[in-house]
Amino acid sequence: GQQVMQIPQYQHVQEGEDFTTYCNSSTTLSNIQWYKQRPGGHPVFLIQLVKSGEVKKQKRLTFQFGEAKKNSSLHITATQTTDVGTYFCAGPWMKTSYDKVIFGPGTSLSVIP
Amino acid sequence: DTEVTQTPKHLVMGMTNKKSLKCEQHMGHRAMYWYKQKAKKPPELMFVYSYEKLSINESVPSRFSPECPNSSLLNLHLHALQPEDSALYLCASSLGGAGYEQYFGPGTRLTVT
Repeated sequence: GQQVMQIPQYQHVQEGEDFTTYCNSSTTLSNIQWYKQRPGGHPVFLIQLVKSGEVKKQKRLTFQFGEAKKNSSLHITATQTTDVGTYFCAGPWMKTSYDKVIFGPGTSLSVIP
Repeated sequence: DTEVTQTPKHLVMGMTNKKSLKCEQHMGHRAMYWYKQKAKKPPELMFVYSYEKLSINESVPSRFSPECPNSSLLNLHLHALQPEDSALYLCASSLGGAGYEQYFGPGTRLTVT
């Protein structure tokens, strides 16, 4: 069945280091979304990518959508303690309904001050 | 107003109790969602309402009963829950379809004793 995977599961970085999480889908996606969930919080939408090869930037965050639309990445430059949280990618569930989004398992980022 | 509100924030209930979780949004979104999230796991879809009609039920046990009284409100009625149902219950809304970002509420932390 359709799967969305993320690596790594956990990442510990020193403050100021860069961080990258990778998202891979077993099927081609029409779009991919990224969410951030702080510890004790709820998922917050970061960005959506739609086009093959698309790159979007939000300050220190860079998001990419692969050419085949089956993978994506989130890169954070010079991490800060405010970046701590779990980053989820999410893509449409293709089989049954237009309304369902399938979340990857997430990458948990810890930043050591 | 891009806020989704949920009440209560915390709920402790016995296995014989009946309780309800409430969710409200005033963004004019036509899709509303219930998710269950266990610690260190991604949100797991339970139900989707589209235009106030149940469009997706992810084979959720009948002890969970969703209700959408109007386009702004979503309820989740709980009855005869099990300890393994303890989790964070998240409500979300979107303009509709997997091509739109989801706005999550803060969640209800449910403990079943």
